[in-house]
Amino acid sequence: DAMVIQNPRYQVTQFGKPVTLSCSQTLNHNVMYWYQQKSSQAPKLLFHYYDKDFNNEADTPDNFQSRRPNTSFCFLDIRSPGLGDAAMYLCATSRASVYNEQFFGPGTRLTVL
Amino acid sequence: DQQVKQNSPSLSVQEGRISILNCDYTNSMFDYFLWYKKYPAEGPTFLISISSIKDKNEDGRFTVFLNKSAKHLSLHIVPSQPGDSAVYFCAASMGSNYQLIWGAGTKLIIKP
Repeated sequence: DAMVIQNPRYQVTQFGKPVTLSCSQTLNHNVMYWYQQKSSQAPKLLFHYYDKDFNNEADTPDNFQSRRPNTSFCFLDIRSPGLGDAAMYLCATSRASVYNEQFFGPGTRLTVL
Repeated sequence: DQQVKQNSPSLSVQEGRISILNCDYTNSMFDYFLWYKKYPAEGPTFLISISSIKDKNEDGRFTVFLNKSAKHLSLHIVPSQPGDSAVYFCAASMGSNYQLIWGAGTKLIIKP
């Protein structure tokens, strides 16, 4: 089945210790997104890639970086996690032609101690 | 500034009855609206959408209504089934902007 896979599903890190979350897709979609979602809040777009073109949202902190080495994979790097970065991180993909119908992975729940 | 609002954090409905989930928006430039459904421990899944040139879109038990003058949309589920228990997110987009603006979600509970 075509899908969006996120690893790990749960990640625990220490305050200030870099962490990388990964996302892979078998849908062959050009666009990949990273969202942050805190409890009972709307998902917040951090950035997206259209193929290799990186698009950062204006209010995404510099602490968050992303890499997309190929069509299938995308990584979210948090350089120095703070307590406020504890959240669910959702990866999504879409076709460029139907960009608003996005396909989501199950998410990675990040805990910062 | 929340451009998309779902004012009911939760809604409880009897199985077999109609569920109505509401969403309000403030930006008149939005031209496409979507509903996503999310089960615990899973990512959101696309449910149904509507373009601003329409006022209704139907897909099986799910119907979305758009009232542009009131900047309001609603999702109707008829009849409601236990598997419909989930969090429902309303989202909006404009033009070719890749960003979806999301509401905070409404948790729907279907009672047997």
